[in-house]
Amino acid sequence: GESVGLHLPTLSVQEGDNSIINCAYSNSASDYFIWYKQESGKGPQFIIDIRSNMDKRQGQRVTVLLNKTVKHLSLQIAATQPGDSAVYFCAENAGGTSYGKLTFGQGTILTVHP
Amino acid sequence: NAGVTQTPKFRILKIGQSMTLQCTQDMNHNYMYWYRQDPGMGLKLIYYSVGAGITDKGEVPNGYNVSRSTTEDFPLRLELAAPSQTSVYFCASSRSGGRTGELFFGEGSRLTVL
Repeated sequence: GESVGLHLPTLSVQEGDNSIINCAYSNSASDYFIWYKQESGKGPQFIIDIRSNMDKRQGQRVTVLLNKTVKHLSLQIAATQPGDSAVYFCAENAGGTSYGKLTFGQGTILTVHP
Repeated sequence: NAGVTQTPKFRILKIGQSMTLQCTQDMNHNYMYWYRQDPGMGLKLIYYSVGAGITDKGEVPNGYNVSRSTTEDFPLRLELAAPSQTSVYFCASSRSGGRTGELFFGEGSRLTVL
């Protein structure tokens, strides 16, 4: 079936560096994408979302880029902090009657070293 | 505001036992979901509900049942527990079916079947 996957399972960065987490999706019908952050022992928390009619969206210290041509999504975190250490998931919604049935990727573990 | 509350947080079951994972939300959301997360993996949808009295299967519904008698509550029933059901279970809710905003997740219920 269609799925969302990640290129890199782990990412280690130094505090203050910029981080880029990548995600590939295969469902061309997906029109809504979300990034979640999951800290150890907790449920996922919303970071930022983007619709397929956009190619970039910015939040506080985070930017999501969408390339529909190659079905690729990325999350950029500026000036990464130790508190950003977590697992990051991308998720897609195929639209139509999917009723918010998000398909999640495997996740990328981000480790920020002081 | 409590958000999404799950109980219990931890449970150990023997093979063949049954149990119910409780989920309640106080945000008056129509959409509710149950996901499971296996170690090192993303979340997979078990069941979802678009409103009281309406439920439907997700990606991995076998071995589970749900009911939605009220807007607030969405319990997940495990019948005849099997080791393959060892996982972390997350309940989530959303206002708009995940189409225009994020899903709000509970903190998870860690289930071990021995």
